[in-house]
Amino acid sequence: RKEVEQDPGPFNVPEGATVAFNCTYSNSASQSFFWYRQDCRKEPKLLMSVYSSGNEDGRFTAQLNRASQYISLLIRDSKLSDSATYLCVVNEARGGSQGNLIFGKGTKLSVKP
Amino acid sequence: GAVVSQHPSWVICKSGTSVKIECRSLDFQATTMFWYRQFPKQSLMLMATSNEGSKATYEQGVEKDKFLINHASLTLSTLTVTSAHPEDSSFYICSAKEASLSNQPQHFGDGTRLSIL
Repeated sequence: RKEVEQDPGPFNVPEGATVAFNCTYSNSASQSFFWYRQDCRKEPKLLMSVYSSGNEDGRFTAQLNRASQYISLLIRDSKLSDSATYLCVVNEARGGSQGNLIFGKGTKLSVKP
Repeated sequence: GAVVSQHPSWVICKSGTSVKIECRSLDFQATTMFWYRQFPKQSLMLMATSNEGSKATYEQGVEKDKFLINHASLTLSTLTVTSAHPEDSSFYICSAKEASLSNQPQHFGDGTRLSIL
C-alpha cells in the first residue's frame, strides 16, 4: 500500500470552476500535513499547511480527517495560474528524529480559459 | 520568507564525471537539510538527511559511497554524485527547515536537473 495516495488526475477544468483534491495516508502516527504545488520542471512550493480544524487561505481550503487518514484541498473560482501539480505531503515522525516528508505522486490540474 | 538556494540549476556531463550540487539556506540556519530525487512523473523521493557536523542518514537503497553528502556549516550542504551514469539523470532537490520542530514545513531549493550523457 502506498504511503500517500492521491487522485490520479489529470483534472481539466474551466476557469471559475471549483475543484477538489483528495489524499489518503497510511501512517496513523503522521504528525503534520501540507499541500505543495509544483509547476512543470520546478521545485515544490508550499501552498498551505493542513490542520485538523480545517483552514482557509483565500480561494483555497484544506481539511484533515485524522480518523479517516484523509486530507483534502478545495480550490474555488479556479484561475489559469492555478494550473500545476498539487502534491499531498505528510510529515512522519521517526523515533525522535525530525521527521520525514512523504510525497504523493501529485494530481495535475489544468485550468482552461 | 525563508530562502533556499541550490546551485547549479542544470548540469549536462559525460558518463563517469562527478557532479557537486550545493544547497544553501540564505537567511536562516539549518541544522538539517534533506536531499530528494524526482524522476519524470514520479514522486519526490528522499535520498538522505544531511545533519550539520555529523554523517548523513541515507534512505534504503541509496548508496552512500555514490552520493556523498557534506554538511559542514549551518547554511551549506553539498551532494556529490560520484562517477555519474545515465541512470543517475534526474531532478535533484534539496530542502531545509528553519527550526528543529518536526512539524515545520520545509523550504525547497530550485532543484538541479542532472543529465548524464
